[in-house]
Amino acid sequence: GESVGLHLPTLSVQEGDNSIINCAYSNSASDYFIWYKQESGKGPQFIIDIRSNMDKRQGQRVTVLLNKTVKHLSLQIAATQPGDSAVYFCAENHRSYGGSQGNLIFGKGTKLSVKP
Amino acid sequence: DAGVIQSPRHEVTEMGQEVTLRCKPISGHDYLFWYRQTMMRGLELLIYFNNNVPIDDSGMPEDRFSAKMPNASFSTLKIQPSEPRDSAVYFCASSLKLKNTEAFFGQGTRLTVV
Repeated sequence: GESVGLHLPTLSVQEGDNSIINCAYSNSASDYFIWYKQESGKGPQFIIDIRSNMDKRQGQRVTVLLNKTVKHLSLQIAATQPGDSAVYFCAENHRSYGGSQGNLIFGKGTKLSVKP
Repeated sequence: DAGVIQSPRHEVTEMGQEVTLRCKPISGHDYLFWYRQTMMRGLELLIYFNNNVPIDDSGMPEDRFSAKMPNASFSTLKIQPSEPRDSAVYFCASSLKLKNTEAFFGQGTRLTVV
């Protein structure tokens, strides 16, 4: 079936190291992807997005890579800080829905823990 | 803007009771979404509105669930009667447009039905 999944449910990194969170998607019709960060007791917060006509997009300390050949999405966080500790979700839109937010499918999430 | 505001933050109710969750979207946002988050199923879209009109309610689990948006600054999600399996965190989110844009989430309402 169509789904968004994650390779690693938990990730523990040392403060200052780079983090890589991975996500696999199964629908080749997906054309828009978003990464959200959710801290404990809070709602998901938008981090970065990428469209299928791109393979890389950079933000502040974050980079999203999209590999359409293997249907893989990753979020790289540079110089990981304690404040980055959270659950990270990837989400996809299907082209059939015109890339609409209303049809986002979320993955289960990866918990990132940053060790001081 | 204070962001998306949800109330209450926590709700504990007995099975069979009516529960009403409230949401105030960000001013000027034309789209409002209701999500449910559980450990088993993750984050699921229940329903979304455009300019106060429900567009897609295919995610609403049962007829016990209903949502309204009487005006641009207020929406409710009602569960009547509530059941223990409805226990979850319910999020409201809003966005300026539907396509290729981020949604801003509220803090959520943690519902516990005993």
